[in-house]
Amino acid sequence: ELKVEQNPLFLSMQEGKNYTIYCNYSTTSDRLYWYRQDPGKSLESLFVLLSNGAVKQEGRLMASLDTKARLSTLHITAAVHDLSATYFCAVDYGDDKIIFGKGTRLHILP
Amino acid sequence: DTAVSQTPKYLVTQMGNDKSIKCEQNLGHDTMYWYKQDSKKFLKIMFSYNNKELIINETVPNRFSPKSPDKAHLNLHINSLELGDSAVYFCASSPEPRRDTQYFGPGTRLTVL
Repeated sequence: ELKVEQNPLFLSMQEGKNYTIYCNYSTTSDRLYWYRQDPGKSLESLFVLLSNGAVKQEGRLMASLDTKARLSTLHITAAVHDLSATYFCAVDYGDDKIIFGKGTRLHILP
Repeated sequence: DTAVSQTPKYLVTQMGNDKSIKCEQNLGHDTMYWYKQDSKKFLKIMFSYNNKELIINETVPNRFSPKSPDKAHLNLHINSLELGDSAVYFCASSPEPRRDTQYFGPGTRLTVL
């Protein structure tokens, strides 16, 4: 069965702190996507990771992909309130299957 | 100018009806997608079109049919609507399939009564 598990599902953290969201998946894939969604809003594509060892950074967010461990991480550095949102990972398994995680709801406290 | 637009924004209809949601992108992208987000916020890809050719068709009921009159448009037709079809539907586009940043429309909230 193709599975994508994100953890934590809920995260409340202080501004200025660092934290990591994990995305584990069940079957080999070398293609993974991260998205952001603000409450009541549409989706925003954050990162496209296309190979083992891929690392991408945008501002305070950095995403990486380890295909051998079947793991992607989204690291938040020195969190600010504006990063409060729900973050989704999605794994592209090929054969026309893209499976989303359940999302991590991130709340950053001032 | 809005990059990816959808109409309508809200759609309320009765079970059994047939409805359509329109999507247009002015980015010149070759690939467009439809996603469904249910009431629990779970996301699922439904379709994508690349140069008017269907390249992803996740196992959705055949009551759902994407129609692309040209590269800039990918409309979603739904026949015989069911309660479980209630969700938010997002359209998106990207330059290439499954390797580029996607740009999303604002979503269409469909409520089936």
